[in-house]
Amino acid sequence: AQSVTQLGSHVSVSEGALVLLRCNYSSSVPPYLFWYVQYPNQGLQLLLKYTSAATLVKGINGFEAEFKKSETSFHLTKPSAHMSDAAEYFCAVRRGGATNKLIFGTGTLLAVQP
Amino acid sequence: NAGVMQNPRHLVRRRGQEARLRCSPMKGHSHVYWYRQLPEEGLKFMVYLQKENIIDESGMPKERFSAEFPKEGPSILRIQQVVRGDSAAYFCASSSGQMNTEAFFGQGTRLTVV
Repeated sequence: AQSVTQLGSHVSVSEGALVLLRCNYSSSVPPYLFWYVQYPNQGLQLLLKYTSAATLVKGINGFEAEFKKSETSFHLTKPSAHMSDAAEYFCAVRRGGATNKLIFGTGTLLAVQP
Repeated sequence: NAGVMQNPRHLVRRRGQEARLRCSPMKGHSHVYWYRQLPEEGLKFMVYLQKENIIDESGMPKERFSAEFPKEGPSILRIQQVVRGDSAAYFCASSSGQMNTEAFFGQGTRLTVV
């Protein structure tokens, strides 16, 4: 079965510091991986996705993620945090076959300190 | 191009009443997913539907919950005889069904059972 694990339910960084949010996946086949962001009382917005093309994926708002098959990881990074990045971030894997559903991690709440 | 539309945004029901949550997918999308979000628990898959068909309902509670996506009109998630534990945010997402495409989320319906 495919699943994702997000290490660290809460991450706090200073404004201007590196953001690193961790995601590891388990999959018996090459996965499709996604990062979503959720602002308070809002739905989820796609940040970026990996679909077996380039292993380094660039997304919106300066975020990027690198697919590392050897580590089964898809960590999300941003070189310099901004106050507006404070939100909850979800990693997700697409489960193939007939069901085709997205399986989400438990989320990481990012706080950005001034 | 309107996004995924969910209504109502907020719904208050007394214990024992019925809750009906509606979701209109993005134009051109025929695949709909429902997720439930509880605090500190991330998003839990409930059901995956295509027009007039339930593809995967492995996340649906066995009783009181049902979902449909008729040929015409929105997808409906129905909760009968609501209990306090049903209080949560319910999100709908839609996609084209292609494996390498993301799902687009609505703003969610926040159900409160009093």
